[in-house]
Amino acid sequence: NAGVTQTPKFQVLKTGQSMTLQCAQDMNHEYMSWYRQDPGMGLRLIHYSVGAGITDQGEVPNGYNVSRSTTEDFPLRLLSAAPSQTSVYFCASSYAWRLAGQETQYFGPGTRLLVL
Amino acid sequence: KQEVTQIPAALSVPEGENLVLNCSFTDSAIYNLQWFRQDPGKGLTSLLLIQSSQREQTSGRLNASLDKSSGRSTLYIAASQPGDSATYLCAVSTSGGGADGLTFGKGTHLIIQP
Repeated sequence: NAGVTQTPKFQVLKTGQSMTLQCAQDMNHEYMSWYRQDPGMGLRLIHYSVGAGITDQGEVPNGYNVSRSTTEDFPLRLLSAAPSQTSVYFCASSYAWRLAGQETQYFGPGTRLLVL
Repeated sequence: KQEVTQIPAALSVPEGENLVLNCSFTDSAIYNLQWFRQDPGKGLTSLLLIQSSQREQTSGRLNASLDKSSGRSTLYIAASQPGDSATYLCAVSTSGGGADGLTFGKGTHLIIQP
């Protein structure tokens, strides 16, 4: 298994540009989520999904959109990039929380985003 | 709102020492707690997951304990090695069977001196 993959690894954007961060997993996990990691702030949840067609907001959803059309993919869209969105973005996946003992979350390698 | 605190923020010890990393959380109504390791420029790797009904979990030289009522967890690393150098993150889930994500601490940056 490739696990959780993320593309691109690094991206530079200008203020106002839009882009999509890709995330895919091949473990048939129902649950997927996006976090951003900032110095001094730790990791914060942006959006999450408990299955295809179902998404919900996390702690810091403003400026981001998500959709989940398949079990495997969970892209994160930046609508109009701002310097405050400069961060490292991580995608994670796991089995459904109700499967006791199988809630371990698997993280992708991250996407480093710089917004100028 | 759940808050997770990790102490110390940084730790440097000689190789071979046993060490303890601390994690505390403000809301004891957690579903589970996970310890992760993050190497520079890399993603997170899950080390141990403790269910709210459990007291501890062990994997090799790692032992994690959970005292849910006092809002505390510790990660014990035995016979530390230079390869253990990394940032260790504690995260809790407060979703009772749901899936609203993890709340992370800011991590302990660990350096093991050869």
